[in-house]
Amino acid sequence: EDQVTQSPEALRLQEGESSSLNCSYTVSGLRGLFWYRQDPGKGPEFLFTLYSAGEEKEKERLKATLTKKESFLHITAPKPEDSATYLCAVQAHTGGFKTIFGAGTRLFVKA
Amino acid sequence: GAVVSQHPSRVICKSGTSVKIECRSLDFQATTMFWYRQFPKQSLMLMATSNEGSKATYEQGVEKDKFLINHASLTLSTLTVTSAHPEDSSFYICSAPTGLNQPQHFGDGTRLSIL
Repeated sequence: EDQVTQSPEALRLQEGESSSLNCSYTVSGLRGLFWYRQDPGKGPEFLFTLYSAGEEKEKERLKATLTKKESFLHITAPKPEDSATYLCAVQAHTGGFKTIFGAGTRLFVKA
Repeated sequence: GAVVSQHPSRVICKSGTSVKIECRSLDFQATTMFWYRQFPKQSLMLMATSNEGSKATYEQGVEKDKFLINHASLTLSTLTVTSAHPEDSSFYICSAPTGLNQPQHFGDGTRLSIL
């Protein structure tokens, strides 16, 4: 069964304290892995797509990496405005458009 | 970038009322759209896949007669919560992909409160 597991559930950081969020996945043929950011009361906002092991994507303080079993979202020198829930999701070759989401990591960055 | 608009953003109504939520893809066509439900501090729960011109596909445990989905055009899907009750109160979000291998693009959600 295709599955996505994110850890930790919640992460509290001081401003400037770099860290990483983990997304472990099992899928019958990965079509794509996606990272989203969700603010309270809003729909998820797309951040990155990764398609193959070894691929990396960067945007401002965020960097996403992918291996055959997991993905990491690295946050460098976070700011309070980076506080949000970060969701990881995968699409499988056999699943059509269907996307499987992890439970998310709630990130709190304190000034 | 791809934009998905969801309306209304918030609904408060009495028990027994039916509520319609619209999801529009503004700058692309979407043959498939998804409807999710989200409880506080939990992740997205897929309710159904909306297919343009055909019947929706519902996930296990989701009552299709309770949550009516219509996808009459390539840019519009609607979710109607029929005879809503307090237990239907939740945050409902729609999404649409721009293509295979592409990410979902989400609406801003609808907060439904049934009194």
